[in-house]
Amino acid sequence: QVQLVQSGAEVQKPGASVKVSCKASGYTFTGYYIHWVRQAPGQGLEWMGWINPNSGGTVYARKFRGRVTMTRDTSISTASMYLDRLRSDDTAVYFCATQTGRGALNFWGQGTLVIVSS
Amino acid sequence: QSVLTQPPSVSGAPGQRVTISCTGSSSNIGANYDVHWYQQLPGTAPKLLIYGNNNRPSGVPDRFSGSKSGTSASLAITGLQPEDEADYYCQAYDRSLDGALFGGGTKLTVL
Repeated sequence: QVQLVQSGAEVQKPGASVKVSCKASGYTFTGYYIHWVRQAPGQGLEWMGWINPNSGGTVYARKFRGRVTMTRDTSISTASMYLDRLRSDDTAVYFCATQTGRGALNFWGQGTLVIVSS
Repeated sequence: QSVLTQPPSVSGAPGQRVTISCTGSSSNIGANYDVHWYQQLPGTAPKLLIYGNNNRPSGVPDRFSGSKSGTSASLAITGLQPEDEADYYCQAYDRSLDGALFGGGTKLTVL
């Protein structure tokens, strides 16, 4: 069965960087795009971007361009999301999710809580 | 403007039917991009409920249905059950943003 297992919670200081990883299993890792979506406390879902695990190509939401980097390591079926220059309003749960052929996000990781606090 | 607008909340009694609207624009829903719907229970990851406007993934009850017309889409839930109480989000691609877009979410309360 498809599983996306994310790395554990992080506490970072303002200005620091964070890495969230997403290990995939149960399917061909290079076959489906992986998206990153975040959710601030009590707020809605916010799309951050996607990575094509086959080519490594990425598309980032305008809001995050220049601060986010998405990578993948096909040898370990893992996608990673790096967010730089963290601010307090980056405090959120970060999700990875796979994309179906029609653009829907069909399998989701469990989420990783990132807290940005001095 | 590239936004998907949902009502903040809807409610209904058990057994009733409710609908949740998702209003977009000519750069997303109106540009003929697919609309998808997600259900999020408290403290959990979102779950795909409807994809491609009106298709249910395996395991989703047929009480859930989706539709799309013009620049809007709707999610209908019939035979409301207490376990349907959750947040619901619509999502579509937006060509102006060159990326995915989520609606603000709708909290469904089962009275």
